[in-house]
Amino acid sequence: DAKTTQPNSMESNEEEPVHLPCNHSTISGTDYIHWYRQLPSQGPEYVIHGLTSNVNNRMASLAIAEDRKSSTLILHRATLRDAAVYYCILRDAGSGNTGKLIFGQGTTLQVKP
Amino acid sequence: NAGVMQNPRHLVRRRGQEARLRCSPMKGHSHVYWYRQLPEEGLKFMVYLQKENIIDESGMPKERFSAEFPKEGPSILRIQQVVRGDSAAYFCASSPLAQIMNTEAFFGQGTRLTVV
Repeated sequence: DAKTTQPNSMESNEEEPVHLPCNHSTISGTDYIHWYRQLPSQGPEYVIHGLTSNVNNRMASLAIAEDRKSSTLILHRATLRDAAVYYCILRDAGSGNTGKLIFGQGTTLQVKP
Repeated sequence: NAGVMQNPRHLVRRRGQEARLRCSPMKGHSHVYWYRQLPEEGLKFMVYLQKENIIDESGMPKERFSAEFPKEGPSILRIQQVVRGDSAAYFCASSPLAQIMNTEAFFGQGTRLTVV
């Protein structure tokens, strides 16, 4: 499975944008880049995903490098409710196409009021 | 459309007892994944099932753990003869049938198993 690398933790101030980086230098051509987050004591929650082009939805934006070896999740205005562990995941497109998500350690985002 | 339902939310078992964790996927979803999260650790993939079939059990411990997803009813993760090291949060996720890689997975709120 292709691996991702994320910083262990990041801090942000409330109401400011947050850029969460992810490196995935061994990504294959058919791997989708997925982002999930996990709030304290809750199950993971889908944030956004993309393949090659940048993506926007109501929660966040995903900027994907041209060579696809890195991506950045952008929260445009962080709120206290955005404090969570953010996981960057390459959805398994290997043989069998099981679609399982392989979670790393993620980035713990702290949002300061 | 109800989300992924897991029950019970909290389960306490004594060492040596059996634990049964249930997961009802979202309506229309036929792919179910189970994950385990040990205290202060990340989520680990355990098993992937489709209706009546185990597709990938590469993350399942070799002994005491089993999973099923029958034609009717919820998916069940069964842990026999539980030990304290089985204490963890167990999460279930479901995906719709088509284009797995290009769709989101929906997670339940998890079952927190405590072995005393």
